[in-house]
Amino acid sequence: EAGVTQFPSHSVIEKGQTVTLRCDPISGHDNLYWYRRVMGKEIKFLLHFVKESKQDESGMPNNRFLAERTGGTYSTLKVQPAELEDSGVYFCASSGTTYHFGPGTRLTVL
Amino acid sequence: AQSVTQPDIHITVSEGASLELRCNYSYGATPYLFWYVQSPGQGLQLLLKYFSGDTLVQGIKGFEAEFKRSQSSFNLRKPSVHWSDAAEYFCAVEGRTDKLIFGTGTRLQVFP
Repeated sequence: EAGVTQFPSHSVIEKGQTVTLRCDPISGHDNLYWYRRVMGKEIKFLLHFVKESKQDESGMPNNRFLAERTGGTYSTLKVQPAELEDSGVYFCASSGTTYHFGPGTRLTVL
Repeated sequence: AQSVTQPDIHITVSEGASLELRCNYSYGATPYLFWYVQSPGQGLQLLLKYFSGDTLVQGIKGFEAEFKRSQSSFNLRKPSVHWSDAAEYFCAVEGRTDKLIFGTGTRLQVFP
């Protein structure tokens, strides 16, 4: 079984630019989560999809972040415009009964 | 509020030595508890989890953890550390709506 994949693995952008992160969950997993770790701090929940619906987006920091899940399959997380404090590692996870995490996307905003 | 505390940011041990990583949680109900490990360039890998039953939980790679309700702790242990155990370790509790609440992580360094 293929695991959760994320693209890109690294992204370096300038403040004010737009970045889109992609997550492909394990096939058949209805639940998809986004988490973020800012340097030196804990990994924090951003949002939770069940199929294509947002179940919980209480962790989204502000309206510069937009998450979508097309047809209940892959998900994208867009940051527009990016700010310096958005730098960190963005993790995606999917679950049937157990969480499976992807390798993360390291975002650096200069 | 639900929270997880990992008091040790960085731990260094010699290969072959025993290891204990501390985790304390704050959660109103019976917690679901997890330990994850992240090796460089890798995603978060589940080491073990506690839902109910036996308070001593066995995991992968020779790790175990003990749930102590009276101390609100879920410490991770390994009797003999290998150089390949060098990584960052995260304790987590599952909150409402299935989301995980993580501690700040403990970075483990292993000396030969």
